[in-house]
Amino acid sequence: AQKITQTQPGMFVQEKEAVTLDCTYDTSDPSYGLFWYKQPSSGEMIFLIYQGSYDQQNATEGRYSLNFQKARKSANLVISASQLGDSAMYFCAMREGRVGSARQLTFGSGTQLTVLP
Amino acid sequence: EPEVTQTPSHQVTQMGQEVILRCVPISNHLYFYWYRQILGQKVEFLVSFYNNEISEKSEIFDDQFSVERPDGSNFTLKIRSTKLEDSAMYFCASSEAGSGPYNEQFFGPGTRLTVL
Repeated sequence: AQKITQTQPGMFVQEKEAVTLDCTYDTSDPSYGLFWYKQPSSGEMIFLIYQGSYDQQNATEGRYSLNFQKARKSANLVISASQLGDSAMYFCAMREGRVGSARQLTFGSGTQLTVLP
Repeated sequence: EPEVTQTPSHQVTQMGQEVILRCVPISNHLYFYWYRQILGQKVEFLVSFYNNEISEKSEIFDDQFSVERPDGSNFTLKIRSTKLEDSAMYFCASSEAGSGPYNEQFFGPGTRLTVL
């Protein structure tokens, strides 16, 4: 079974509008972290935001916010006021809190976001 | 701001040749990772390294792969005999500590490996 599922291979949004990128996850660990990374066409992985499983409030970082619904196991990324520079691939990832592991990230398949002028 | 660096940025090699990909993690970080991303696909975990030994490895990380921390700063990934399917972007990452699930992994810019 997939641990991280991103069901939107591609999304389009008009400049200055908000967009939501979906992410659902599957884990039996009570302790985990959810991350979003941005990968522009140049290829580097840019950390955007994370949410801990025990965090009471949704994470926010500037124009990025994470809509965390623990019961539904979803961690959607919301980008407000989209800019042309937001066009990139976006990956959702999870790090499980297994005791003794080095806690590698498990990535979803990504969503290619295109911001239209 | 400290960052993870990787060299080379692009490596072209012939099938069957050995390659070594180099990474310099952030200096006070304790956990190191290699991931790979085949073109157009998702990022996949290869191996994690802590206290001078492998912590975990995926099924991709077979006997053709090895990792080493030869000195206090470098972290290397060696592929002994490259195959065409090893062509991918290889990312190194490091994190400060692994004792909780919330510690951010910092990624390097990647090395694009092309096997001909």
